[in-house]
Amino acid sequence: DAGVIQSPRHEVTEMGQEVTLRCKPISGHNSLFWYRQTMMRGLELLIYFNNNVPIDDSGMPEDRFSAKMPNASFSTLKIQPSEPRDSAVYFCASRPGTGEAGELFFGEGSRLTVL
Amino acid sequence: RKEVEQDPGPFNVPEGATVAFNCTYSNSASQSFFWYRQDCRKEPKLLMSVYSSGNEDGRFTAQLNRASQYISLLIRDSKLSDSATYLCVVTKGTNDMRFGAGTRLTVKP
Repeated sequence: DAGVIQSPRHEVTEMGQEVTLRCKPISGHNSLFWYRQTMMRGLELLIYFNNNVPIDDSGMPEDRFSAKMPNASFSTLKIQPSEPRDSAVYFCASRPGTGEAGELFFGEGSRLTVL
Repeated sequence: RKEVEQDPGPFNVPEGATVAFNCTYSNSASQSFFWYRQDCRKEPKLLMSVYSSGNEDGRFTAQLNRASQYISLLIRDSKLSDSATYLCVVTKGTNDMRFGAGTRLTVKP
């Protein structure tokens, strides 16, 4: 079975450019999460969706960040305009509606470098 | 104070050693607790849940102390393949999952 699929795997961009990260959750999973990981701050929860609806976006750092989930099989995280401090690995994760609460299935991550 | 705190390590131990990690959490309303493992430049993966009564999975033992608000992970007879970063996870509800910064373990021959 396919796991969580993220794209791009790597992106290098210049400050001020728009960045769009994409995620396809595991089919049948009802919840989707976006995390950001840096050496300094570890894994930070940015936003999560239940049944395509954003539930908690309090972790989104500022208005430059936005996330959407137009359907059950696709989500995007957009940064506009990007800044060097946004450089990090961005993980998308999904979990089924039932089953163990803690089992998040992560994608391989999108490594973003903003110059 | 961070919601979930871990000793970042690194812990460098020889093969066969026993090693223990602790994790403290600040929210007494936290409901569920887990340990995840993350290999270098890879995604985190669930290692095990932590139950109130303590639980064991092979060489791994997890324990929870609600009164002192900490959880622990014990690894016995450590293997080279145990080298990774171990992340403590605390939830306030089903979906509000907060990760610690991780403890790095290196097992040496």
